[in-house]
Amino acid sequence: NAGVTQTPKFQVLKTGQSMTLQCAQDMNHEYMSWYRQDPGMGLRLIHYSVGAGITDQGEVPNGYNVSRSTTEDFPLRLLSAAPSQTSVYFCASRSGQVTGDEQFFGPGTRLTVL
Amino acid sequence: GENVEQHPSTLSVQEGDSAVIKCTYSDSASNYFPWYKQELGKRPQLIIDIRSNVGEKKDQRIAVTLNKTAKHFSLHITETQPEDSAVYFCAAISNTNAGKSTFGDGTTLTVKP
Repeated sequence: NAGVTQTPKFQVLKTGQSMTLQCAQDMNHEYMSWYRQDPGMGLRLIHYSVGAGITDQGEVPNGYNVSRSTTEDFPLRLLSAAPSQTSVYFCASRSGQVTGDEQFFGPGTRLTVL
Repeated sequence: GENVEQHPSTLSVQEGDSAVIKCTYSDSASNYFPWYKQELGKRPQLIIDIRSNVGEKKDQRIAVTLNKTAKHFSLHITETQPEDSAVYFCAAISNTNAGKSTFGDGTTLTVKP
């Protein structure tokens, strides 16, 4: 099992550019989430999905879109990058919506917006 | 929504001493409380968790306690070692909140040899 994988590991964008952060898991997990982590702060939820075809907003969704066409993949799109989106992005998955399932994190994508 | 506060933000202890990190939560419906360890440049990893029907859980040098009435839970690390140095995050999850995780802001623990 590769677990949760993310690409790219690092990315530099210019203001206004768009890009997609990729996330995939091979554990057949229904529940997937995207977080951003800023210095001195915890992980803040951007978007989440409870299963293929179902997505919803988290705490900080503005400027980001997601889709979930398959159980395995959960890409995060930055529509028009802004310096405020400079952060480390983590994708995570867990078995289901029931609390108590362990959440597994990907290795992260470090994004810099100039 | 849920709000989780974590204290202290930084903690420095001597090797062999104990370390305690505390978190409070606001949503009485929260029923699952994991703790994560994140080393520099790495992903968060689960180290211990506790469910709301349990008051304490221990795993070797690590323990977690939960006080549902006061809505706070704590991480206890005994006999600290330099490799315990990392950032520790608490989180609270509720079934009534679509299972979303709310994280504390983290505690940077430094264990001095």
